[in-house]
Amino acid sequence: SYVLTQPPSVSVAPGKTARITCGGNNIGSKSVHWYQQKPGQAPVLVIYYDSDRPSGIPERFSGSNSGNTATLTISRVEAGDEADYYCQVWDSSSDRPYVFGTGTKVTVL
Amino acid sequence: EVQLVQSGAEVKKPGESLRISCKGSGYSFTSYWISWVRQMPGKGLEWMGRIDPSDSYTNYSPSFQGHVTISADKSISTAYLQWSSLKASDTAMYYCARPVLGGDAFDIWGQGTMVTVSS
Repeated sequence: SYVLTQPPSVSVAPGKTARITCGGNNIGSKSVHWYQQKPGQAPVLVIYYDSDRPSGIPERFSGSNSGNTATLTISRVEAGDEADYYCQVWDSSSDRPYVFGTGTKVTVL
Repeated sequence: EVQLVQSGAEVKKPGESLRISCKGSGYSFTSYWISWVRQMPGKGLEWMGRIDPSDSYTNYSPSFQGHVTISADKSISTAYLQWSSLKASDTAMYYCARPVLGGDAFDIWGQGTMVTVSS
């Protein structure tokens, strides 16, 4: 089955830029979605179809996808961005079509 | 407001049965699949399976096939996740989620149901 690999952790200072990668075989041919999950809360969709933002998500959140890596970028990081982030794709050839990445803990220093 | 509201936390013993629920409101319940997602303590998200509430057609992840049952009652806009014999390893938070219309990104999530299985 399809595997999505994320770095376990990313640390960033307030006001700086955080980049979270999601690696998968030819992931650029798939649509990638990103979720933010704060402690004790349900996941929230922050980016879908590689780079679209749902209503209410700040413009500081952006996404890109090419080759074997998709990237979620958080600009001008704030303390409130500290959370776990998961990528997700749909693998139509799999009997487990919804695939989540391993997750990345973003720590704001 | 579009929302999914899940049933409350459960504490069960190994071997017991359980059904948890997810009630949709604010949208046409039969127009969207409902998926269930497991999150074990301190771990990541795992897709378990989904149901089309319009006809109760289901898909399961091989990891969960045969161990859980997903069902729905469209008359009350509610989906269910059921176990016939719980194991300690079923201890986890369970989320229901709805995808965007015609797509595969989950834009609506329930608040989660914590299931604890302990003797």
